[in-house]
Amino acid sequence: EDQVTQSPEALRLQEGESSSLNCSYTVSGLRGLFWYRQDPGKGPEFLFTLYSAGEEKEKERLKATLTKKESFLHITAPKPEDSATYLCAVQTGAGSYQLTFGKGTKLSVIP
Amino acid sequence: DSGVTQTPKHLITATGQRVTLRCSPRSGDLSVYWYQQSLDQGLQFLIQYYNGEERAKGNILERFSAQQFPDLHSELNLSSLELGDSALYFCASSVHRDTEAFFGQGTRLTVV
Repeated sequence: EDQVTQSPEALRLQEGESSSLNCSYTVSGLRGLFWYRQDPGKGPEFLFTLYSAGEEKEKERLKATLTKKESFLHITAPKPEDSATYLCAVQTGAGSYQLTFGKGTKLSVIP
Repeated sequence: DSGVTQTPKHLITATGQRVTLRCSPRSGDLSVYWYQQSLDQGLQFLIQYYNGEERAKGNILERFSAQQFPDLHSELNLSSLELGDSALYFCASSVHRDTEAFFGQGTRLTVV
């Protein structure tokens, strides 16, 4: 059974204090790893897709990396508006976007 | 705004009742997905439709059913509702069967 574990469950950072979120996964055949951002009461917002070990993608203060067993979401000099829950998900199997999600990391950035 | 529209935004109903949630995908998207998000389980995949046909099924209860219509909008029907069905229900859509999907704002279902 595919499993996705995110850590930590919650993270409080001072504005400007860089850190990383972890997503470890156990899957039978990884087709893609996805990062989403979710604000309270809202739908998940797509951030990145990573397909192979060694791949990296960046968007503003966020950078996602992928190894064979885990992915990291690095947040550089975060701002209060980066506060949200960050979700990691894996796609396995061909022909479908069926995702298995982790339970997320709730990030709070304090001014 | 992702372009995926879900109605209603909020729904309160009693146990044993039946409700229908509606989703309009982004223009041009052929694939629709339904997810359930509860506090203890996180986001769980329910079902996927592609161009009107069921494509993949996840942990969807027999009391739940879905369909995608010729105009590509989709409906999720929940019947014999129980307190434990209270959750956020999200619809997502994508262009093809296996490209990244974009989520709607969800329907918050409360069963009392």
